[in-house]
Formats: sequence, structure tokens, C-alpha cells
Amino acid sequence: AQSVSQHNHHVILSEAASLELGCNYSYGGTVNLFWYVQYPGQHLQLLLKYFSGDPLVKGIKGFEAEFIKSKFSFNLRKPSVQWSDTAEYFCAVSPTDSWGKLQFGAGTQVVVTP
Amino acid sequence: DGGITQSPKYLFRKEGQNVTLSCEQNLNHDAMYWYRQDPGQGLRLIYYSQIVNDFQKGDIAEGYSVSREKKESFPLTVTSAQKNPTAFYLCASSISASGRLHEQYFGPGTRLTVT
Repeated sequence: AQSVSQHNHHVILSEAASLELGCNYSYGGTVNLFWYVQYPGQHLQLLLKYFSGDPLVKGIKGFEAEFIKSKFSFNLRKPSVQWSDTAEYFCAVSPTDSWGKLQFGAGTQVVVTP
Repeated sequence: DGGITQSPKYLFRKEGQNVTLSCEQNLNHDAMYWYRQDPGQGLRLIYYSQIVNDFQKGDIAEGYSVSREKKESFPLTVTSAQKNPTAFYLCASSISASGRLHEQYFGPGTRLTVT
């Protein structure tokens, strides 16, 4: 069965530090990839997505992610975080042949200290 | 405003009772989904529906039931057969297009506590 692995469960960093969250998946076929974010008290919302094309995708709020097919990875990055980036981040994968079924990682809780 | 509404935000039930969680969307999306979120486990798919009057089991459907009588509505019933019902439940929807997955939009969630 396919799975999605997020490397860190909790990350604490200071404002202006760089952030990188790892995401690996196990599936041999073609996939669609997503990063979602859940800010405290808010809806889960889409940060960015990859369907095809340029493996470096840019999302909202200065986030970007790189799809490395050979490593089955889709890591999320932000060069300089702000206190408002404190949230839980979820990687999600959907094989293109399994319509509508997103497989989520366990999530990474990110706390940015002032 | 277009979006997904879930009600209520908090729900408390006694063990052995069935409970129905509401999910409504006005995005004109064909597909709707129910997830369960538990700490440290991410989101797990309970049921999904691609079109009215049709739905499929997700990864953890046991103890749950759904209906899809209207495009806008996808209620989830947590039955007494669900062994561990206390959780945060999220409803989502997406445009349905043959051969292409669109991103899912999420509602605010319902936190169910069963004692």
C-alpha cells in the first residue's frame, strides 16, 4: 500500500530562519503532490501543488517545493520564516490512477518563535 | 461567499448513540470527501463521493455511513459500531474532471467527543 512519510513531527525555529520539511512517498507510478497547511483555528488550506511540468513549484506566502522523482520526494521550503508561519503542515499524494484519493502524511507541527 | 460549511463545530455524544455530521458546499463541486484527523496520524479518508447518489469507501470506512442525495450535501453518520469515534472530522470537496485531479477544499471541521 502507498504511504507518505513526513520526516519531522515537530520543528521549532526562530523568525528569519530557513525552513525545509521533508516528504517522501512510496508509489511507483505517476502522482499528484500537495502541501496543505493548517493555521491555528483555521481551515486546512492548499499551499502548493504539483501535477506535471517544472518540478520546482511555488505556492502562497513564499513557500516552494521541489519534486524529485528519483527520490520519491516533495520537500517544502521557505527561505525566511515568520511568526505567522506557525502551523501544521501536511504533505499529500494522489496517484493519478486512483481518482480522488489523497494519502496524507502525519503532519509536521512548525513553531516559529519571535 | 463560496465554501464548505460543517456543523456543528463541537459535538458531544454518549457511547452507543449514532451521530450525524453535516457538510454542505456551494462551490458546485461534484466530488466530496470525509476525513478523520487524529494527532500524529494526519488525515485518513473515510468515504468519498464522485457524483450524486454514488459513494465509495475510503481507508477507514468501518463504523461510518454516508449519503449523497444532493450535490451540495454529504452527511456522515458515525455509528455505535465505530470503536474509537472521538476525533476531528473534516469534509472536503473538489471539482470532478475525468482523468484529472483537482485540489480539495476543506471545511472548518467538527470535533466529536464520545464519552
